[in-house]
Amino acid sequence: GQNIDQPTEMTATEGAIVQINCTYQTSGFNGLFWYQQHAGEAPTFLSYNVLDGLEEKGRFSSFLSRSKGYSYLLLKELQMKDSASYLCAVLDSNYQLIWGAGTKLIIKP
Amino acid sequence: DAGITQSPRYKITETGRQVTLMCHQTWSHSYMFWYRQDLGHGLRLIYYSAAADITDKGEVPDGYVVSRSKTENFPLTLESATRSQTSVYFCASRGGAEADTQYFGPGTRLTVL
Repeated sequence: GQNIDQPTEMTATEGAIVQINCTYQTSGFNGLFWYQQHAGEAPTFLSYNVLDGLEEKGRFSSFLSRSKGYSYLLLKELQMKDSASYLCAVLDSNYQLIWGAGTKLIIKP
Repeated sequence: DAGITQSPRYKITETGRQVTLMCHQTWSHSYMFWYRQDLGHGLRLIYYSAAADITDKGEVPDGYVVSRSKTENFPLTLESATRSQTSVYFCASRGGAEADTQYFGPGTRLTVL
């Protein structure tokens, strides 16, 4: 079966750095997406990785290791507005997106 | 306005009634999707469409019907609503390239009593 694992919830402090991990076992791999979802709102696109390595985009970075079936989203200089759920999704061999259940990130002052 | 919209945003209905959720996008994206989101689950694909008049089942299609007569619209119908269909429904769209980003509508919160 296809499986994507993320921690259910994480807590971090404003101004700090947090790493949200995602491990996956899917039938094929054509890329990995990270989305942000604030409570009561729609998911919004953060990043897409298809090759191994780190992609940096401002305060957010995303890393991929295809051999390990592993990705992480790194958030630096945390702000209160970063309190949200972060969704990991893998594009499988049929180009279908398989979604993790999401990680709820709580930022404390 | 450009983008992807859904209506209604909130809906309360009773078991056994038919309900239609609307989705409209102005990007002329070829692909459109319907997901449901429930606590403890990731987004689950109900149906998707690659183009007008082309639709296909996703992971959880039972109890749902879709149509796509025009590229910009992708309505989702619950033929006879059940309590288990209480959920938040998101419509999404993307361009024709397989790895294109999916963009989501604001969602419809449906409650079936």
